[in-house]
Amino acid sequence: AQSVTQLGSHVSVSEGALVLLRCNYSSSVPPYLFWYVQYPNQGLQLLLKYTTGATLVKGINGFEAEFKKSETSFHLTKPSAHMSDAAEYFCAVSRYQAGTALIFGKGTTLSVSS
Amino acid sequence: GAVVSQHPSWVICKSGTSVKIECRSLDFQATTMFWYRQFPKQSLMLMATSNEGSKATYEQGVEKDKFLINHASLTLSTLTVTSAHPEDSSFYICSAKAATGNQETQYFGPGTRLLVL
Repeated sequence: AQSVTQLGSHVSVSEGALVLLRCNYSSSVPPYLFWYVQYPNQGLQLLLKYTTGATLVKGINGFEAEFKKSETSFHLTKPSAHMSDAAEYFCAVSRYQAGTALIFGKGTTLSVSS
Repeated sequence: GAVVSQHPSWVICKSGTSVKIECRSLDFQATTMFWYRQFPKQSLMLMATSNEGSKATYEQGVEKDKFLINHASLTLSTLTVTSAHPEDSSFYICSAKAATGNQETQYFGPGTRLLVL
């Protein structure tokens, strides 16, 4: 069965510092991987996704993630954090093939200090 | 494009009453919609998969008689929490998958916060 593990429930960085949010997955089929961001009391916004092809995917707001099959990882990075990046971030994997329900990690809260 | 709305955004109800939550895809047709529940400080947990014109598929442990799902059209799915109790208080989020085109991505609604007193 598919599963997602997000290492670190809370990550704190200074404004301008590198952001690294870790995600490891387990999947019995070629995975479709996603990162979503959630601001307080709001729904989820898609940051980026990996389906097939290029393993380095770029998303919105300067975020990118790299799919590493050998490490079963899909870590999210951003070179320089902004205050507005403070939010909850969820990594997810499609349960089966593309377009099926998502299995979410427990989330990582990103705090950005000035 | 690809906007999903939910109504209401907030609802407070008394224990024992029923609450209906609507999920609409505003600018695309969705053959499949998903309902998730999120408790405070926790992740989203899939409750059920809703397919237009057919019965919903519920996850293990989710009571189908308590959480009634109807997907009567390609743009609307509803979740009715029947005889709600305080433990049903949660954040309910729907997502929709487009019927055509990009079917890899789910588009999420803004969520409905339910508080049962």
